[in-house]
Amino acid sequence: QKEVEQNSGPLSVPEGAIASLNCTYSDRGSQSFFWYRQYSGKSPELIMSIYSNGDKEDGRFTAQLNKASQYVSLLIRDSQPSDSATYLCAVLQGGSEKLVFGKGTKLTVNP
Amino acid sequence: GAVVSQHPSRVICKSGTSVKIECRSLDFQATTMFWYRQFPKQSLMLMATSNEGSKATYEQGVEKDKFLINHASLTLSTLTVTSAHPEDSSFYICSARGSSGAVETQYFGPGTRLLVL
Repeated sequence: QKEVEQNSGPLSVPEGAIASLNCTYSDRGSQSFFWYRQYSGKSPELIMSIYSNGDKEDGRFTAQLNKASQYVSLLIRDSQPSDSATYLCAVLQGGSEKLVFGKGTKLTVNP
Repeated sequence: GAVVSQHPSRVICKSGTSVKIECRSLDFQATTMFWYRQFPKQSLMLMATSNEGSKATYEQGVEKDKFLINHASLTLSTLTVTSAHPEDSSFYICSARGSSGAVETQYFGPGTRLLVL
């Protein structure tokens, strides 16, 4: 069973702080990794994708991937109340077109 | 980014009726579309993978005769919930995978909230 694990939280950070979201996966054959943001009652929205080891930055968001440790993370700098949402880690199974989702981490940014 | 639409956004129906949900990729051709279901406070669960011009591939435990999927063109897939029952009430979300550019990225539609009375 291919699994994606996330801490369900809730994770609470003050406005302006760095929020760190973590994810581990079991399928060593996975090559593509994604972070989605889902507001309550809405569908997921793609934030970041990462395919290579290391860091990938996009504005206030940085995705980090370590395939040896089967670990992917998302850092949100200068967190804003509007960042409050559930963040879903998704992994594309090796040799498949299916995404496997974690259960999500609920983030709350306090003003 | 790629835009995916769904219609309707919300539907309420009586038990025993059928409901059709449309998923469209608006600015790209989607060779593959996916249908998910999400119950409150739970993660997305993949129901089926839909490829244009071929039969859908259903996940284990999903009844193909109950959840009919048609992917007639590169921009449209439909999910029909047949003989809906209250336990089918859920948030149904489609996603589309692009045929070029966004090779391995799925973009989600806004979802359809189904309530079966």
